[in-house]
Amino acid sequence: AQSVTQLGSHVSVSEGALVLLRCNYSSSVPPYLFWYVQYPNQGLQLLLKYTTGATLVKGINGFEAEFKKSETSFHLTKPSAHMSDAAEYFCAVSGYGGATNKLIFGTGTLLAVQP
Amino acid sequence: DVKVTQSSRYLVKRTGEKVFLECVQDMDHENMFWYRQDPGLGLRLIYFSYDVKMKEKGDIPEGYSVSREKKERFSLILESASTNQTSMYLCASSPITGGPTEAFFGQGTRLTVV
Repeated sequence: AQSVTQLGSHVSVSEGALVLLRCNYSSSVPPYLFWYVQYPNQGLQLLLKYTTGATLVKGINGFEAEFKKSETSFHLTKPSAHMSDAAEYFCAVSGYGGATNKLIFGTGTLLAVQP
Repeated sequence: DVKVTQSSRYLVKRTGEKVFLECVQDMDHENMFWYRQDPGLGLRLIYFSYDVKMKEKGDIPEGYSVSREKKERFSLILESASTNQTSMYLCASSPITGGPTEAFFGQGTRLTVV
Protein backbone atom coordinates (compact mmCIF):
# COMPACT_ATOMS: atom_id res chain seq x y z
CA ALA A 1 0.00 0.00 0.00
CA GLN A 2 1.12 3.53 -0.69
CA SER A 3 1.02 6.41 1.76
CA VAL A 4 2.54 9.79 2.51
CA THR A 5 3.38 11.40 5.83
CA GLN A 6 3.67 15.15 6.23
CA LEU A 7 5.70 16.18 9.27
CA GLY A 8 4.33 19.30 10.92
CA SER A 9 0.70 20.27 10.59
CA HIS A 10 1.59 23.95 11.09
CA VAL A 11 4.72 25.76 9.95
CA SER A 12 5.38 29.45 10.52
CA VAL A 13 8.13 31.41 8.78
CA SER A 14 9.03 35.06 8.43
CA GLU A 15 8.69 36.81 5.11
CA GLY A 16 11.93 36.31 3.18
CA ALA A 17 12.91 33.17 5.10
CA LEU A 18 13.38 29.69 3.70
CA VAL A 19 10.28 27.53 3.42
CA LEU A 20 10.74 23.79 4.06
CA LEU A 21 7.72 21.49 4.14
CA ARG A 22 8.43 17.84 4.76
CA CYS A 23 6.93 14.80 3.06
CA ASN A 24 7.92 11.16 3.34
CA TYR A 25 6.35 8.45 1.26
CA SER A 26 5.89 4.72 1.42
CA SER A 27 5.56 2.79 -1.80
CA SER A 28 6.40 -0.69 -3.01
CA VAL A 29 6.68 0.55 -6.59
CA PRO A 30 8.44 3.61 -8.04
CA PRO A 31 6.25 6.45 -6.86
CA TYR A 32 4.74 9.37 -8.69
CA LEU A 33 4.69 12.26 -6.20
CA PHE A 34 2.85 15.56 -6.16
CA TRP A 35 2.60 18.76 -4.16
CA TYR A 36 -0.66 20.68 -4.20
CA VAL A 37 -1.51 24.04 -2.64
CA GLN A 38 -4.88 25.15 -1.32
CA TYR A 39 -5.60 28.81 -0.69
CA PRO A 40 -8.44 29.66 1.73
CA ASN A 41 -11.84 28.53 0.47
CA GLN A 42 -10.38 27.25 -2.79
CA GLY A 43 -9.81 23.91 -4.42
CA LEU A 44 -6.38 22.32 -4.82
CA GLN A 45 -3.89 23.57 -7.36
CA LEU A 46 -0.91 21.55 -8.58
CA LEU A 47 2.45 23.04 -7.54
CA LEU A 48 4.74 20.40 -9.00
CA LYS A 49 5.09 16.70 -9.70
CA TYR A 50 7.76 14.03 -9.89
CA THR A 51 7.27 11.17 -12.30
CA THR A 52 10.63 9.95 -13.62
CA GLY A 53 13.93 11.52 -14.62
CA ALA A 54 15.40 14.55 -12.88
CA THR A 55 15.04 14.30 -9.13
CA LEU A 56 14.93 18.07 -8.56
CA VAL A 57 11.58 19.32 -9.72
CA LYS A 58 10.69 22.95 -10.18
CA GLY A 59 7.14 24.15 -9.84
CA ILE A 60 5.11 27.30 -9.91
CA ASN A 61 5.59 30.34 -7.66
CA GLY A 62 9.29 29.58 -7.03
CA PHE A 63 8.73 26.24 -5.28
CA GLU A 64 10.82 23.16 -5.88
CA ALA A 65 11.08 19.66 -4.45
CA GLU A 66 13.73 16.98 -4.50
CA PHE A 67 12.96 13.29 -4.79
CA LYS A 68 15.36 11.30 -2.56
CA LYS A 69 14.80 7.60 -2.93
CA SER A 70 17.30 6.68 -0.20
CA GLU A 71 15.39 8.82 2.30
CA THR A 72 11.92 8.14 0.82
CA SER A 73 11.39 11.88 0.91
CA PHE A 74 9.96 14.58 -1.32
CA HIS A 75 10.36 17.80 0.65
CA LEU A 76 9.06 21.10 -0.71
CA THR A 77 11.23 24.22 -0.51
CA LYS A 78 11.20 27.87 -1.48
CA PRO A 79 14.23 30.09 -0.84
CA SER A 80 12.32 33.19 0.21
CA ALA A 81 8.78 33.17 1.58
CA HIS A 82 6.24 35.72 0.45
CA MET A 83 3.06 36.70 2.25
CA SER A 84 1.07 35.26 -0.64
CA ASP A 85 2.51 31.78 0.10
CA ALA A 86 0.31 31.46 3.18
CA ALA A 87 -1.86 28.44 2.39
CA GLU A 88 -2.25 24.74 3.09
CA TYR A 89 0.09 22.37 1.27
CA PHE A 90 -0.60 18.73 0.51
CA CYS A 91 1.81 16.02 -0.56
CA ALA A 92 0.32 13.13 -2.53
CA VAL A 93 1.39 9.85 -4.10
CA SER A 94 -0.33 8.31 -7.07
CA GLY A 95 -1.77 4.90 -6.39
CA TYR A 96 -1.37 2.12 -8.86
CA GLY A 97 -4.62 0.33 -9.39
CA GLY A 98 -5.99 -0.47 -12.81
CA ALA A 99 -6.56 2.64 -14.85
CA THR A 100 -7.73 4.90 -12.10
CA ASN A 101 -4.51 6.39 -10.73
CA LYS A 102 -6.16 7.76 -7.63
CA LEU A 103 -4.15 10.15 -5.47
CA ILE A 104 -3.39 9.36 -1.84
CA PHE A 105 -2.91 12.52 0.20
CA GLY A 106 -1.05 13.45 3.34
CA THR A 107 -2.77 15.31 6.15
CA GLY A 108 -1.55 18.69 5.00
CA THR A 109 0.72 21.44 6.35
CA LEU A 110 -0.64 24.90 7.01
CA LEU A 111 1.98 27.51 6.21
CA ALA A 112 1.82 30.89 7.94
CA VAL A 113 4.05 33.74 6.78
CA GLN A 114 4.78 36.44 9.32
CA PRO A 115 5.62 40.00 8.19
CA ASP B 1 -7.40 24.99 -19.06
CA VAL B 2 -9.12 22.08 -17.40
CA LYS B 3 -12.20 23.15 -15.60
CA VAL B 4 -13.91 21.18 -12.87
CA THR B 5 -17.06 22.86 -11.66
CA GLN B 6 -18.94 22.04 -8.50
CA SER B 7 -22.52 23.24 -8.49
CA SER B 8 -22.48 24.87 -5.05
CA ARG B 9 -19.79 26.55 -2.95
CA TYR B 10 -21.82 26.45 0.25
CA LEU B 11 -24.76 24.28 1.28
CA VAL B 12 -26.74 24.03 4.50
CA LYS B 13 -28.97 20.97 4.87
CA ARG B 14 -31.02 19.43 7.63
CA THR B 15 -30.35 16.07 9.24
CA GLY B 16 -32.08 13.29 7.33
CA GLU B 17 -32.30 15.17 4.04
CA LYS B 18 -31.13 13.58 0.80
CA VAL B 19 -28.31 15.73 -0.56
CA PHE B 20 -26.91 15.88 -4.08
CA LEU B 21 -23.49 17.35 -4.83
CA GLU B 22 -22.85 17.84 -8.53
CA CYS B 23 -19.56 17.99 -10.41
CA VAL B 24 -18.91 18.62 -14.10
CA GLN B 25 -15.60 18.54 -15.97
CA ASP B 26 -14.99 19.84 -19.46
CA MET B 27 -11.83 17.98 -20.51
CA ASP B 28 -13.25 14.58 -21.42
CA HIS B 29 -11.42 12.91 -18.53
CA GLU B 30 -12.20 9.27 -17.85
CA ASN B 31 -11.53 9.37 -14.11
CA MET B 32 -13.55 11.34 -11.60
CA PHE B 33 -13.22 11.41 -7.83
CA TRP B 34 -14.99 12.64 -4.72
CA TYR B 35 -12.86 13.52 -1.71
CA ARG B 36 -13.80 14.74 1.71
CA GLN B 37 -11.51 17.21 3.50
CA ASP B 38 -11.45 17.61 7.27
CA PRO B 39 -8.93 19.51 9.44
CA GLY B 40 -6.05 17.29 10.48
CA LEU B 41 -7.20 14.43 8.27
CA GLY B 42 -6.27 15.74 4.84
CA LEU B 43 -8.25 14.50 1.84
CA ARG B 44 -9.95 11.14 2.05
CA LEU B 45 -11.34 9.38 -0.99
CA ILE B 46 -15.05 8.61 -0.87
CA TYR B 47 -15.77 7.17 -4.32
CA PHE B 48 -14.23 7.24 -7.76
CA SER B 49 -15.28 6.37 -11.28
CA TYR B 50 -13.19 5.42 -14.29
CA ASP B 51 -15.99 5.28 -16.85
CA VAL B 52 -19.65 6.03 -17.32
CA LYS B 53 -21.79 3.95 -14.96
CA MET B 54 -18.65 2.50 -13.34
CA LYS B 55 -17.84 3.28 -9.73
CA GLU B 56 -15.61 2.01 -6.98
CA LYS B 57 -15.54 2.63 -3.27
CA GLY B 58 -12.76 4.68 -1.80
CA ASP B 59 -11.62 4.72 1.79
CA ILE B 60 -14.77 6.16 3.42
CA PRO B 61 -17.85 5.25 1.32
CA GLU B 62 -20.25 4.67 4.21
CA GLY B 63 -23.26 6.97 4.06
CA TYR B 64 -22.56 8.02 0.47
CA SER B 65 -23.42 6.87 -3.02
CA VAL B 66 -22.49 8.19 -6.47
CA SER B 67 -23.89 8.40 -9.95
CA ARG B 68 -22.15 8.79 -13.29
CA GLU B 69 -24.65 8.72 -16.13
CA LYS B 70 -22.58 10.92 -18.45
CA LYS B 71 -18.82 11.09 -18.83
CA GLU B 72 -18.57 14.73 -17.79
CA ARG B 73 -20.78 14.55 -14.69
CA PHE B 74 -20.20 12.81 -11.37
CA SER B 75 -22.69 13.21 -8.54
CA LEU B 76 -22.21 12.50 -4.85
CA ILE B 77 -25.34 11.57 -2.92
CA LEU B 78 -25.84 11.65 0.81
CA GLU B 79 -28.83 9.36 1.26
CA SER B 80 -29.72 10.69 4.71
CA ALA B 81 -27.49 13.54 5.80
CA SER B 82 -26.04 13.46 9.28
CA THR B 83 -24.12 16.07 11.25
CA ASN B 84 -20.89 14.05 10.97
CA GLN B 85 -21.04 14.61 7.22
CA THR B 86 -20.47 18.32 7.72
CA SER B 87 -17.28 18.86 5.74
CA MET B 88 -15.61 20.26 2.63
CA TYR B 89 -16.22 18.08 -0.42
CA LEU B 90 -13.83 18.21 -3.36
CA CYS B 91 -14.41 16.78 -6.81
CA ALA B 92 -11.52 15.97 -9.13
CA SER B 93 -10.90 14.51 -12.56
CA SER B 94 -7.94 13.04 -14.40
CA PRO B 95 -7.27 11.41 -17.76
CA ILE B 96 -6.21 7.84 -18.36
CA THR B 97 -2.69 8.13 -19.76
CA GLY B 98 -1.21 4.70 -19.22
CA GLY B 99 0.48 5.83 -16.02
CA PRO B 100 -0.12 7.92 -12.92
CA THR B 101 -1.10 11.51 -13.53
CA GLU B 102 -2.22 14.49 -11.53
CA ALA B 103 -5.84 15.25 -10.78
CA PHE B 104 -7.59 18.54 -11.41
CA PHE B 105 -9.82 19.85 -8.65
CA GLY B 106 -12.99 21.87 -8.38
CA GLN B 107 -13.42 24.75 -5.94
CA GLY B 108 -15.05 22.61 -3.30
CA THR B 109 -18.46 22.52 -1.65
CA ARG B 110 -18.64 23.34 2.03
CA LEU B 111 -21.57 21.37 3.39
CA THR B 112 -23.08 22.04 6.79
CA VAL B 113 -25.65 19.59 8.16
CA VAL B 114 -27.74 20.99 11.00
